Amino acid sequence: GENVEQHPSTLSVQEGDSAVIKCTYSDSASNYFPWYKQELGKRPQLIIDIRSNVGEKKDQRIAVTLNKTAKHFSLHITETQPEDSAVYFCAASTGNQFYFGTGTSLTVIP
Amino acid sequence: KAGVTQTPRYLIKTRGQQVTLSCSPISGHRSVSWYQQTPGQGLQFLFEYFSETQRNKGNFPGRFSGRQFSNSRSEMNVSTLELGDSALYLCASSLAAVAVPYEQYFGPGTRLTVT
Repeated sequence: GENVEQHPSTLSVQEGDSAVIKCTYSDSASNYFPWYKQELGKRPQLIIDIRSNVGEKKDQRIAVTLNKTAKHFSLHITETQPEDSAVYFCAASTGNQFYFGTGTSLTVIP
Repeated sequence: KAGVTQTPRYLIKTRGQQVTLSCSPISGHRSVSWYQQTPGQGLQFLFEYFSETQRNKGNFPGRFSGRQFSNSRSEMNVSTLELGDSALYLCASSLAAVAVPYEQYFGPGTRLTVT
């Protein structure tokens, strides 16, 4: 089956700096890659996603890039704010089943 | 549209008991997936149902089972509870289709504590 690895497991940045979280996947058939943000005590929320026919997607301060050849995708958050502090999960899917990374705990220091 | 709902939100059970958790998907969503979330383990996939049929199953023992009803609501059952079953159980719904992944939306989860 698919195996998704996520790095780093923890990340601290100063407010205003950028944050980058990286994931790799093993199954070349995976064609959908969502990112979720989970604040403490809350449900995971979909923040951005990308499909395999696209190399990059942006939504305001958040962007995701996908390299199908290398089988990795990354989340980029620019101009970080304290409210960006949360756990971020990447996932890969070939269709009906989603495989999640183990999460990155991001702390934005004011 | 109303979001994904789960009941109950909190449960405390004793080892050896069984428990049933419920999930109501977003209206129109026919796929429901269940996940176990524990600290350090991320989201572990339990199973996925579509149109009352289990389409995918993760690597959990047979004590974990589920079902889906004709209105797409889903239940999962854990029998003979163990201490290690203490976790946040999340369900997620999506429009789904064959071999085409759609966005998944999560419910608030059920926090299960086994003593």
